[in-house]
Amino acid sequence: QVQLVESGGGVVQPGGSLRLSCVPSGFTFSHYGMHWVRQAPGKGLEWVAFILYDGSNKYYADSVKGRFTISRDNSKNTLYLQMNSLRAEDTAFYYCAKDVGRFSLDIWGQGKMVTVSS
Amino acid sequence: QSALTQPASVSGSPGQSITISCTGTSSDVGDYNYVSWYQQHPGKVPKLMIYDVSNRPSGVSNRFSGSKSGNTASLTISGLQAEDEADYYCSSYSSTTTLVFGGGTKLTVL
Repeated sequence: QVQLVESGGGVVQPGGSLRLSCVPSGFTFSHYGMHWVRQAPGKGLEWVAFILYDGSNKYYADSVKGRFTISRDNSKNTLYLQMNSLRAEDTAFYYCAKDVGRFSLDIWGQGKMVTVSS
Repeated sequence: QSALTQPASVSGSPGQSITISCTGTSSDVGDYNYVSWYQQHPGKVPKLMIYDVSNRPSGVSNRFSGSKSGNTASLTISGLQAEDEADYYCSSYSSTTTLVFGGGTKLTVL
């Protein structure tokens, strides 16, 4: 079964850090670019970051640039999102998603909630 | 980073057709055929409905179709059904921001 499973969400204080992980199954992870997309409660989708299939290039939304780092370990079949200097406005469900090509996201994880609050 | 512009809501009766617009700029929708559409039911994960402007993934009903003219892409749903009631998001590759989503459109089936 083709799926993505995220882990690592939770509650963190402003200024804190958190790391999300995303483990795929049912497809060859090392062949595909991967994204993180977030959705604040009751709000729309916001693209966060993208990493090429081999990790050679990474791209970020301005809102997270310099604070978040996307990475992947193809030997461990895992995608990561390291989130530092977290702010209240980072509170959202975070989804990892597979890029089927040309920035279309065909497989999405179930989402992990990240709450930034004191 | 400005989101693509979508109407906040649209509605239609069962059996009718509706169209959702998605307006961008020459840096995204206007210059690239990398427009996608997603359907999201409440509490559920987004589902890819259209990619590359007008292509349907396997398993998506042919009642869903996509098109583009200039800086505006459109999603048309024909033969509206109750199960189509959901939020719909467009997205596009962008030369300035990599990937940008629309603000979302709530479709109500009357």
